[in-house]
Parts: sequence; C-alpha cells; structure tokens
Amino acid sequence: GAVVSQHPSWVICKSGTSVKIECRSLDFQATTMFWYRQFPKQSLMLMATSNEGSKATYEQGVEKDKFLINHASLTLSTLTVTSAHPEDSSFYICSAIRTGVRETQYFGPGTRLLVL
Amino acid sequence: QKEVEQNSGPLSVPEGAIASLNCTYSDRGSQSFFWYRQYSGKSPELIMFIYSNGDKEDGRFTAQLNKASQYVSLLIRDSQPSDSATYLCAAGGGYQKVTFGTGTKLQVIP
Repeated sequence: GAVVSQHPSWVICKSGTSVKIECRSLDFQATTMFWYRQFPKQSLMLMATSNEGSKATYEQGVEKDKFLINHASLTLSTLTVTSAHPEDSSFYICSAIRTGVRETQYFGPGTRLLVL
Repeated sequence: QKEVEQNSGPLSVPEGAIASLNCTYSDRGSQSFFWYRQYSGKSPELIMFIYSNGDKEDGRFTAQLNKASQYVSLLIRDSQPSDSATYLCAAGGGYQKVTFGTGTKLQVIP
C-alpha cells in the first residue's frame, strides 16, 4: 500500500501562536509532497509543492513566510502556520507522490486547525 | 490556465443503478488522470488512475478516457449508499502537481 500519515489530526490554538503539522509517508519514499487547504464545502486548494532537499514552491497568493514548509527527508514534510489567526482555521491535507510510481498522489488523513 | 471541470451535482441515483460521473480537462499535455472519493470531513482517497485511451475496470468502478475529446468519466455499477460522497477528478503529467476539479457530489438513494 501507500500510507500517508499526518500529525496532529486536530489542533486548537490561540491567535498569534505557531502550529506545526507533520506529513509522513509510512511505507514509501516521497520526493514530492503537496500541501492543500480545504474550507468547508469548498474544493481542495493547493498551497505549495514540497520537494525533498529544496525550497518549496508556493502557489500564487500563499504567503511563504506565514506557511513555512520543510521537506528534510524522503518521508517527512512539515507545514508550520506561523502567527496563526482565526482565518487560518481550515482542514490542511498533505499528499505524497510515491517515488518511482507515475505521479499518483496519496493523501494523508488531514489536520483540522481551529484558531481561537 | 489548466482547468479540470466537473458538474457539482448533486447527482442522485437509486441504489443498484449505474452512476456516471464526467470530467473535462483543458490541458492537452495532461498524461495522467485520477479519480478520488472524498467523504464529508475526510481527506480524498484514490479510487482509480488511467493513462491510456479506453476503459479501465476495477471491481464496480470503470474509468474511461478519451484524449481526443479531453474527457474522463467514472462509472460506478451497482451503486450503494456507501458510495455517496464527492468525487474529484484530477489531471496531471510527470512529477508535477495535478489539477483537481471541484468535485461532483453523488447521492445514492436507498
């Protein structure tokens, strides 16, 4: 199989704090991972592409200084929401492409962030 | 701009019927096509991928690709209430990001 995990699954934090979300490929190596955000009843919105060992590529309108991405190994990418505000409350989902398999994305279970 | 379009639905079908979900894409360079299912409050899960023109069957699911018409479809045979979800179509190429459609909501009526 191709299992992707995320931690934490739920996080509630105060406005102004930073939150780190981890995305791990458990049984395969992933050169490329993606971070998405999804608001209620809306479609997936790609935030950034995370490549192992290099800087992430951010989509237009996504603040790279606010959403810090680190892809330090072939199995781990992290997204840090810095100085979170209530409007950052959303469902954050990562996905990973299995190295050597034709760009099929496997999604993690998602992380719900609530900023008070 | 690369686009993937889907009818948002909801598409309602009776239990046991065939559900037909359709998708069109704008980028002729797209090489790979995917169908994901997303239950409310959950992340998407991969149902099928298809690369070549024609049909690809997996259990109750059949994906159809017509590159000339830039059209992808997903047929679900013997639809079950548990198939009720939003179905996302995606198109991509190489190790680049894929483009997702906004999804079609399917309701299977018992």
